[in-house]
Amino acid sequence: SAVISQKPSRDICQRGTSLTIQCQVDSQVTMMFWYRQQPGQSLTLIATANQGSEATYESGFVIDKFPISRPNLTFSTLTVSNMSPEDSSIYLCSVPQGPAGGTDTQYFGPGTRLTVL
Amino acid sequence: AQSVAQPEDQVNVAEGNPLTVKCTYSVSGNPYLFWYVQYPNRGLQFLLKYITGDNLVKGSYGFEAEFNKSQTSFHLKKPSALVSDSALYFCAVRDGEEALNFGKGTSLLVTP
Repeated sequence: SAVISQKPSRDICQRGTSLTIQCQVDSQVTMMFWYRQQPGQSLTLIATANQGSEATYESGFVIDKFPISRPNLTFSTLTVSNMSPEDSSIYLCSVPQGPAGGTDTQYFGPGTRLTVL
Repeated sequence: AQSVAQPEDQVNVAEGNPLTVKCTYSVSGNPYLFWYVQYPNRGLQFLLKYITGDNLVKGSYGFEAEFNKSQTSFHLKKPSALVSDSALYFCAVRDGEEALNFGKGTSLLVTP
C-alpha cells in the first residue's frame, strides 16, 4: 500500500488565522481525498483533488474556506482559512490504491490534529 | 447515495471471547464495503473489504467480515478478542467513483 505522510501532525492555532496541511505520497496517484473528523464524530469528505484540475468540494465545504492545491501526482495541500473553534478536527488525506495499480481501497495518512483557540 | 449504519456506539467484550461489530448498508447496485480501525491518536488503518466473491472476507489482525446480501449487513467479527483490539471501528461504503461514506463508528472495548 502507499506510504502517506502529513505535516504537521498537530497544531494549535488562534482563531482568524490559516493553516496549510501537507500530504505527501510515495507513489504517483491520480486522485487524493481530504476528510475531516470532528471530535467524537465520523469522517466526512471535504473534497476530491485531481492533479491538473480544480478540486471538487462536497456539500457544505467551499473553496474559500478550504482551498486545495494539487501541484503534482504525489503531493497536495489543504488550507483551513480564517479558522474558528468549530474547525478543530482531525484532517486526513487519503489515496485510492489496490493491487496491480487498481484503485479499490483507500489508504489514509496519519492525520493532522488541529485545535483552534 | 450509498450509506452504511453502525447501530452500536460501543461494544464491550471480555478478552478471549468472540466479538462482533455490526454494520448494515444501503446501496444501489453492488456494494463496495470496507472496515477500518482507528487507534487512539493514530490514523485510519484498512482492515478488510468486500467487493465481490466469497461472502466471508478475511483481513488484518485476525478479523473477518461476512457479507450478507439478504440482510444487507457486513458485520465485523473476530473469534477471540484481544485487549489490544480496543479501538474505534468504522464501516464504510464506496460512494461514486472513489470516495467513501463512513458509518458513525463503534468503540470496541476489550476487557482483560
